[in-house]
Amino acid sequence: QVQVQESGPGLVKPSQTLSLTCTVSGGSISSGSYSWSWIRQPAGKGLEWIGRIYASGSTNYNPSLKSRVTISVDTSKNQFSLRLSSVTAADTAVYYCARAKYHITLFGVVTYRDAFDIWGQGTMVTVSS
Amino acid sequence: DIQMTQSPSSLSAPVGDRVTITCRASQSISSYLNWYQQKAGKAPKLLIYAASSLQSGVPSRFSGSGSGTDFTLTISSLQPEDFATYYCQQTYSTLQLTFGGGTKVEIK
Repeated sequence: QVQVQESGPGLVKPSQTLSLTCTVSGGSISSGSYSWSWIRQPAGKGLEWIGRIYASGSTNYNPSLKSRVTISVDTSKNQFSLRLSSVTAADTAVYYCARAKYHITLFGVVTYRDAFDIWGQGTMVTVSS
Repeated sequence: DIQMTQSPSSLSAPVGDRVTITCRASQSISSYLNWYQQKAGKAPKLLIYAASSLQSGVPSRFSGSGSGTDFTLTISSLQPEDFATYYCQQTYSTLQLTFGGGTKVEIK
């Protein structure tokens, strides 16, 4: 059974870079029809998608964060990582990594995509001096 | 970006009740709509994908319907373990995935 687990500092100073790693266990990050995303949730608020990466290294980012976000993958370690630069208090949140499934028919029709079927437990990151 | 509006924002219902949550998209998203359940302090859990497909392991009392701009999540008979916050998510705009604001389901 595939599991994902976030790791990284729980406290980051303003203007610095937030760095988190997601370790995938129980399966290969390179197998199957999946992408790998970061999602965050400020306390008491809703969910915000940050961006995704495929095992190939192809990435997509939320336009609202694109200038500050980098997601990378290390298939040899079965990990993917998030870097968010120039953080402020507004970046304080629980950060989740998640696997998303998608399906494309033989005719190239996308029947579903970006369904986050496996989530990490989340890691709280506070931006404060 | 595509805005997702959920209603109600909260509801109170007794065990055994039929509960319906609505999600409306700001533009047509075909059937690219997923539903999640989140319990306090926990990660979200996928319930429904592609508007009406039940995720493996999810009880059959959960169902989803809709297409275009209007979608519903129905719990046919509310159970004690169903008290949680529910979110919809559009995946039509794949470069900017967005979630609804959530619906908190509380015990009455």
